[in-house]
Amino acid sequence: NFMLTQPHSVSESPGETVTISCTRSGGSIASNYVQWYQQRPGSVPTTLIYEDHQRPSGVPGRFSGSIDSSSNSASLTISGLQTEDEADYYCQSYDSTNHVVFGGGTKLTVL
Amino acid sequence: EVQLLQSGGGSVQPGGSLRLSCATSGFTFSRFAISWVRQAPGKGLEWVASIGGGLGRTTYYADSVKGRFTISRDNSKNTVDLRMTSLRAEDTALYYCAKFHTDGSFRHFDYWGQGTRVTVSS
Repeated sequence: NFMLTQPHSVSESPGETVTISCTRSGGSIASNYVQWYQQRPGSVPTTLIYEDHQRPSGVPGRFSGSIDSSSNSASLTISGLQTEDEADYYCQSYDSTNHVVFGGGTKLTVL
Repeated sequence: EVQLLQSGGGSVQPGGSLRLSCATSGFTFSRFAISWVRQAPGKGLEWVASIGGGLGRTTYYADSVKGRFTISRDNSKNTVDLRMTSLRAEDTALYYCAKFHTDGSFRHFDYWGQGTRVTVSS
C-alpha cells in the first residue's frame, strides 16, 4: 500500500497563485491517477481535478492539476486566488486492489 | 439529476451496531461502484469501504473496519447499506456515501451524499 502526504496548511493573498503538493510514498505517482477535492467548511467534498489534470465541467480554469515523477508528487495549483477558495483540499488515488487512498488534507487560508 | 440521500446513523454505545443507508437516483445504479467515506470530527477524509457494480460481489474494506463493517447493495431499490458492528469510539465520524465516476471503475468520486453522523460513546 502507499500513503499520500500533503502539507497541513498553506496561505496566500487574494489574486496570487498557490500550489498544494501531494507526495506519494510507496510506488510511482504515475501508476494511478490522482484526484483533488475541495471541501468548504460544513460542506460535502466536490471534485476539482480528476485523472491527474482533468477538470469537471463547471470547475474554473483557475484550478489545475499536474504530476511530477521526479518528486513523485501531484500538485494542485490555484491561480487568481479568491476568498471563496478558502477550504480544505484533499488529494486521492487508489491502489491495485481498488482501495481508495486520501491525503491528509491541506487547509488553504486566503489572507 | 444524480442524488445520493443518506439515512441511518445516530448514537450508540461501544460494541453496538448501526446501519447506514444511501438511496440513489438519477443514474443507472447497477452499473456503478459506490463507497463509504468517513470524516472524524476535525479530521480528514478516510475511505471505509467500496462495493462494485452489478451484483456487488466485489467488496473492499479499509483495514480499520474489516471484519466489523459490511457493505451491500440492492439494485432493485437503488440503495447501498453499510452495516457497522462492534463499534468503537474511533468510528465516531460523519459518514458519506459516494458514487464512483466511471462504471466499472474505482478511481474517483463524482457525487456524494449529504453525510450522516455516527457517534460511539458510553
